Amino acid sequence: EDQVTQSPEALRLQEGESSSLNCSYTVSGLRGLFWYRQDPGKGPEFLFTLYSAGEEKEKERLKATLTKKESFLHITAPKPEDSATYLCAVQEGNFGNEKLTFGTGTRLTIIP
Amino acid sequence: DTGVSQNPRHKITKRGQNVTFRCDPISEHNRLYWYRQTLGQGPEFLTYFQNEAQLEKSRLLSDRFSAERPKGSFSTLEIQRTEQGDSAMYLCASRSDSSYNEQFFGPGTRLTVL
Repeated sequence: EDQVTQSPEALRLQEGESSSLNCSYTVSGLRGLFWYRQDPGKGPEFLFTLYSAGEEKEKERLKATLTKKESFLHITAPKPEDSATYLCAVQEGNFGNEKLTFGTGTRLTIIP
Repeated sequence: DTGVSQNPRHKITKRGQNVTFRCDPISEHNRLYWYRQTLGQGPEFLTYFQNEAQLEKSRLLSDRFSAERPKGSFSTLEIQRTEQGDSAMYLCASRSDSSYNEQFFGPGTRLTVL
C-alpha cells in the first residue's frame, strides 16, 4: 500500500530564514508526486506536480525536487504569508488509478 | 469565481440524521473526486467519477455513504444515519483530461455530528 511520510510535523522559521520540507514515499510505480498548500479551514491549493527523479519545479519562493524515494520543498527567504500547512501526495501508476494518497503535512509558521 | 464550489460550507447535525453535500466542479472538468479530512491528517480518498460513472470507491466508503453525479456535472455525497466519527471536512476536487492529473480542490464542507 502507498505510504507518504512528511517531516517535520511543524516548523517555525524567522522571516527570511530558508529551509526545506521533506516528503518520503513508498509506491509501486509513481505516476506523480504532488505538493499542495492548505490554509486553515480551506481546501488544498495546488502547487506542483513532479513526475520523474531529477525533476525540479519553482514558483516564487518555493522549489520542489524529486528523487526515487523522496521529495523536498525548499522555501527561500520566506515571508509571513507563506505560513500554511504543506501537503505532499502520491499517485500510483496503475492504469486508471486516480486516487491521491496524502501525507499528514508540515505546518509551517513564518515569524515576522 | 470559476473554482470548485461546495455547499453548505458548514453543517451541524445530530447523530442518526441524514446529511447531503453538493459539489460543483470547475466547468468542463469531467473528473470529480471526494475526499475526507480529519484534524491533523491529510485528505483521504473516498470516491471518483468520470462523467456520470462512479469508477472507484474506497473501503472507507461504508454502506451509509452514497455519492452520485447524475448528469456528469455536479455531485452529491449523502451520509445516512450519521455517527460522531463522521465529523470531518469533506473535500471535493475536479480535473479535466488535459490537466496532467492535477486535482483542484474546493473549500470543503465541515461536518460536525453531535
